[in-house]
Amino acid sequence: GENVEQHPSTLSVQEGDSAVIKCTYSDSASNYFPWYKQELGKRPQLIIDIRSNVGEKKDQRIAVTLNKTAKHFSLHITETQPEDSAVYFCAAKVTGNQFYFGTGTSLTVIP
Amino acid sequence: EPEVTQTPSHQVTQMGQEVILRCVPISNHLYFYWYRQILGQKVEFLVSFYNNEISEKSEIFDDQFSVERPDGSNFTLKIRSTKLEDSAMYFCATPLTPNNEQFFGPGTRLTVL
Repeated sequence: GENVEQHPSTLSVQEGDSAVIKCTYSDSASNYFPWYKQELGKRPQLIIDIRSNVGEKKDQRIAVTLNKTAKHFSLHITETQPEDSAVYFCAAKVTGNQFYFGTGTSLTVIP
Repeated sequence: EPEVTQTPSHQVTQMGQEVILRCVPISNHLYFYWYRQILGQKVEFLVSFYNNEISEKSEIFDDQFSVERPDGSNFTLKIRSTKLEDSAMYFCATPLTPNNEQFFGPGTRLTVL
C-alpha cells in the first residue's frame, strides 16, 4: 500500500517567517493530496489540496507544490501568524477511496 | 455551513464491551469514512462506505469492527469486543466524492479501561 512520510515532525518559526512542510509518497498512482490543520483537541480541517494534474496551487498565504516525478509534495505558509500554530497532516489518496496520512508536523509560531 | 456531527463526544467502556459510535453525515454526501487517531499520532484510515456497502477497508478494520447505515441519516461504527488498544479518537468524515474535501466530524474519544 501507499506510504506517506512527513518532515519535520516539529517546526518552530518566528512570526512573519515562512514555514515549509514536506511529504513523500510511494505509490505513483496517488492522485489527490490534501493538507489538514488540526488544532489541539479538534477535528482535522482541510486547508488546501492538490490533484495530480496540477503542479502548484495557492490560497492567500498557503501554497502547495507537487512533484509527481519525485513523488513529493510540500506545504508552504508565508507570513506566519501565531494562529497558524497547530499540527499539520498531509495525505495521499491512491485510486479507490483509501487515504494515507503523514505522521504530522507540529508547527509553533513564536510571536 | 452543513456539518458532520458525532455522538457521543466521549465514551468510556470496559475492555470486552461493545461500543457503537454514531455519525450524522452531511445530507447529500454519499461516501462515508471512519478514521482512528491514537493520542499524539497520525490519522489512520479504517473504512470507506458507499452505496450501503464497504468500498475499502484497512488492515486495522478487522472482524471486531463493523459499519452500518441503519437509517437514511445515521452511520455507525461498532466495535464488538473492545481492547485497551482501541482507545483513540474516532472521526467520521464525508466528502462529496472521494477526490474532494473530507469534512470531519468532531470525533468521539473512546477510552477502554
